[in-house]
Amino acid sequence: DIQMTQSPSTLSASVGDRVTITCRASQSISTWLAWYQQKPGKAPNLLIYKASSLESGVPSRFSGSGSGTEFTLTISSLQPDDFATYYCQHYNTHSYTFGQGTKLEIK
Amino acid sequence: EVQLVQSGAEVKKPGESLKLSCKGSGYSFSSYWIAWVRQMPGKGLECMGIIYPGDSDTRYSPSFQGQVTISADKSISTAYLQWSSLKASDAAMYYCARPRGNGALNVFEIWGQGTMVTVSS
Repeated sequence: DIQMTQSPSTLSASVGDRVTITCRASQSISTWLAWYQQKPGKAPNLLIYKASSLESGVPSRFSGSGSGTEFTLTISSLQPDDFATYYCQHYNTHSYTFGQGTKLEIK
Repeated sequence: EVQLVQSGAEVKKPGESLKLSCKGSGYSFSSYWIAWVRQMPGKGLECMGIIYPGDSDTRYSPSFQGQVTISADKSISTAYLQWSSLKASDAAMYYCARPRGNGALNVFEIWGQGTMVTVSS
């Protein structure tokens, strides 16, 4: 099974900061990687697909990059609505493994 | 509007059986895969398995094979997740999700609202 490892697990930041979350796959997944945002008590919401494609309706301050085994999600200027938990997910095989999540907290 | 609507919260005892439902609307239910995702309290997301309602082709993630049964009834546009004998460790939020496009290997574009399962004696 493909394992997905996110870092950091928790990130403290302030409104206006630029933040980056990293996701590593245990083997190459090309660009079959998605990023989701989840707020407490809600279902996840798709932000990025195919590693770097922005989902329709998602603000342009979100961006993704990477290929193979290393990927990043960047938020260029944090807004109050962005404090949430972020998950990467591969969709290279039917196991669809998610990373363990990164909780973005207000500093 | 494309949506998935899940059944309501459940409170069960260990050893009891349970069947959760996920009803699709606004699209051709038979033509899109449906996945089930577990989220244990305070933890991350785990894909349990995925089913194609058109022919009931089902793929289980290794951790969940033999632990649950995923099924679908295309005549009523509904997918199911069931247990024959619940354990305390099955307590979690369960989501159904629909991948984008007709293939199984795609991002989870549409999500249900989730069903909370509590298992306690």
